[in-house]
Amino acid sequence: KQEVTQIPAALSVPEGENLVLNCSFTDSAIYNLQWFRQDPGKGLTSLLLIQSSQREQTSGRLNASLDKSSGRSTLYIAASQPGDSATYLCAVKETSGSRLTFGEGTQLTVNP
Amino acid sequence: KAGVTQTPRYLIKTRGQQVTLSCSPISGHRSVSWYQQTPGQGLQFLFEYFSETQRNKGNFPGRFSGRQFSNSRSEMNVSTLELGDSALYLCASRLGGNTDTQYFGPGTRLTVL
Repeated sequence: KQEVTQIPAALSVPEGENLVLNCSFTDSAIYNLQWFRQDPGKGLTSLLLIQSSQREQTSGRLNASLDKSSGRSTLYIAASQPGDSATYLCAVKETSGSRLTFGEGTQLTVNP
Repeated sequence: KAGVTQTPRYLIKTRGQQVTLSCSPISGHRSVSWYQQTPGQGLQFLFEYFSETQRNKGNFPGRFSGRQFSNSRSEMNVSTLELGDSALYLCASRLGGNTDTQYFGPGTRLTVL
């Protein structure tokens, strides 16, 4: 059974800092890995999708990497801003279809 | 292009009642999935519908059911509500390929008293 773990569970940083969020998964037979952000009481916003054949994806200040063989992904956020404060979730898709297995998330606070 | 919409946004029910939640996917998306989010269990997959057929089902009791209509809109039904069903229910849609992005709606917050 696939298990997804995110470290740290919470992170507080000053504005402007670069930071890395970690995600690990136990079964490397995945189709893709997706990073989301969730604001309190809201739905999920997709940030980046990395296919199993890719090593990284970039969008603006965000860069996500994937090392399938070791079962790890990282989300790098450059020059963090208070508006980046949210919970960040990673999710893996193992099979055809839509089923995603989520980690428990990292709650990020960026202080002005 | 409009995003995924869910109605209602908030619901309060009592134990034993049943509830129906609705999800309208992004136009052109054929796959709709449902997830339950609770503080204790996190995000858990309920089921997926594709072209009106259930394709995949998570580990939830039979009280949780769903369906999809020909216009891809989906409904989720929970019968005989229990206190533990209180959660944020999220719907996600995607085009239908194996590698495409899933887009989530804002969720329905269900409270069972």
